[in-house]
Amino acid sequence: EIVMTQSPATLSVSPGERATLSCRASQSISSNLAWYQQKPGQAPRLLIYGASTRATGIPARFSGSGSGTEFTLTIYSLQSEDFAVYYCQQFNNWPWTFGQGTKVEIK
Amino acid sequence: EVQLVESGGGLVQPGRSLRLSCAASGFTFDDYGMHWVRQAPGKGLEWVSGVSWNGGTTDYADSVKGRFTISRDNAKNSLYMQMNSLRAEDTALYYCAKADSWFSGAFDVWGQGTMVTVSS
Repeated sequence: EIVMTQSPATLSVSPGERATLSCRASQSISSNLAWYQQKPGQAPRLLIYGASTRATGIPARFSGSGSGTEFTLTIYSLQSEDFAVYYCQQFNNWPWTFGQGTKVEIK
Repeated sequence: EVQLVESGGGLVQPGRSLRLSCAASGFTFDDYGMHWVRQAPGKGLEWVSGVSWNGGTTDYADSVKGRFTISRDNAKNSLYMQMNSLRAEDTALYYCAKADSWFSGAFDVWGQGTMVTVSS
């Protein structure tokens, strides 16, 4: 099983600042990675697929990068609605695994 | 509007069974793989099972293999999960999710989830 490790567990950021979230795979997953946002009481929402392609309707301030084992989600100029938990997920190998999540909170 | 609506959750005793359903609308259901993802209270996301567009390919997490069975009825635009021999650790919010390809890929549409509580 591919283990996905996200860091940090919690990120404290002021509105308007940039947030950088990391996700590491235990073995190469090419670009078969997605990022999701989850707010309290809501279902996850797809942000990024293929490591760097924004999903439909996702603002340009969300940017994904990386390939192989190292991936990054950058949120430029954080808005109030961006404070949430973010998960990465690999879909390169069964079983499809998620990271443990990074909570982005208001500083 | 693209939509997934889960149902069938509830409180069930350990060892008993439950069947979850997911009704899809707003997209061509039989073009895409469908999956179940669960989230235990206060915890992260765990992929549970997936089925290909025509039901010909299925996969399960080791934690549920042999106890859960995923299926779909393309004529009814519906996804199912038969859950047998339920355990306390199966307690979670179960989400239905649409893959962006014939089987796997990113999950681009999610339902709101149905809660399953396994307790005596």
